Amino acid sequence: AQTVTQSQPEMSVQEAETVTLSCTYDTSESDYYLFWYKQPPSRQMILVIRQEAYKQQNATENRFSVNFQKAAKSFSLKISDSQLGDAAMYFCAYRSGSGNTPLVFGKGTRLSVIA
Amino acid sequence: EAGVAQSPRYKIIEKRQSVAFWCNPISGHATLYWYQQILGQGPKLLIQFQNNGVVDDSQLPKDRFSAERLKGVDSTLKIQPAKLEDSAVYLCASSFAGSLNTGELFFGEGSRLTVL
Repeated sequence: AQTVTQSQPEMSVQEAETVTLSCTYDTSESDYYLFWYKQPPSRQMILVIRQEAYKQQNATENRFSVNFQKAAKSFSLKISDSQLGDAAMYFCAYRSGSGNTPLVFGKGTRLSVIA
Repeated sequence: EAGVAQSPRYKIIEKRQSVAFWCNPISGHATLYWYQQILGQGPKLLIQFQNNGVVDDSQLPKDRFSAERLKGVDSTLKIQPAKLEDSAVYLCASSFAGSLNTGELFFGEGSRLTVL
């Protein structure tokens, strides 16, 4: 079974600075997707960024980018120019590329942004 | 576009009582998921439906949990009888199926259950 590990329960960053959240995963599959989801307090979880394993280029969405290291099974999220609204739980998630499979989530990292 | 709707948002019950949660997915989404999120943990899949059929319920505690999606649209998750360890947020999510499925799940705001 696939597993997703987030080793940082909590992180903090100064407003306007850059922070990197770590994620590692374990799989024997070659075709899969990786995601970072954001869960603000008492609000629904939303997708931040998505990476297909077959793509070598790292995904980027505005201030959010990933460092995807397939051989190392590492998938970190970098948030640049951090804003107060970035404060939330961040979950790394894995999905098999075969079939209509569900997401497997890590335990999450709580990000605080300091003004 | 309307998002995933869930109700109730909050529920407090005594142990051994029953509770039901309702979810209405985004229109056109064939796949519906129920996740359990215990405080401090990531969401754990309870059950996945495609249309009105069950795809995966391997982690659903079937002695107390049940779920249905009779017409392939909205879904109900029931717990009977509830235990203290069932205190959690129950998240409903939906997605497209087949070739339209990009892997992205759309989540509701969740139903927070407290069992006393």
